[in-house]
Amino acid sequence: DAMVIQNPRYQVTQFGKPVTLSCSQTLNHNVMYWYQQKSSQAPKLLFHYYDKDFNNEADTPDNFQSRRPNTSFCFLDIRSPGLGDAAMYLCATRDLRHGGYTFGSGTRLTVV
Amino acid sequence: AQKVTQAQTEISVVEKEDVTLDCVYETRDTTYYLFWYKQPPSGELVFLIRRNSFDEQNEISGRYSWNFQKSTSSFNFTITASQVVDSAVYFCALPADTGFQKLVFGTGTRLLVSP
Repeated sequence: DAMVIQNPRYQVTQFGKPVTLSCSQTLNHNVMYWYQQKSSQAPKLLFHYYDKDFNNEADTPDNFQSRRPNTSFCFLDIRSPGLGDAAMYLCATRDLRHGGYTFGSGTRLTVV
Repeated sequence: AQKVTQAQTEISVVEKEDVTLDCVYETRDTTYYLFWYKQPPSGELVFLIRRNSFDEQNEISGRYSWNFQKSTSSFNFTITASQVVDSAVYFCALPADTGFQKLVFGTGTRLLVSP
């Protein structure tokens, strides 16, 4: 059974139209991460939550926001997607006590 | 700061050949974890192995094996008798040494296994 679920699997959005990607987990992990992975590149961390504490990477554009209303869910909001934001977005969770990371299957975002 | 280097950008082999993917890392930590992930064309990151730096024994899982050499800061991954289904991008990674330990990834090695 999938433990980190990302919806949708594929998302097409229009240039400049806000879009939200979602991630849910059944693991009760206290840390959740959002990574952006552009074509032929390594995943790059955008931000993470430790419980409700939000931590932004220094080079994450302001266009990217996140919400974590509860332990199970985390959302990635792109306020005004540009063509350069087309990428795979990966959600991951981690239990700090055990150190393991669990990734979702990703959402592949296309901007048209 | 943590760093992972995967010098091989792409490797092409024919089915049943053995192939080794190299990973060299830098860390200031005295104890740390190392990871390998597989990313097939569908895009998800599939966990393959987590290795604690305390444990330098080689590990084997079916056709997969890992060689951890702390003295050379390497954690190489070998696929024996490769199959077409092994075609994917493989990432080596280790947690950052600060904060909540985001995973620092290498640039990945694309493995192409042809029939």
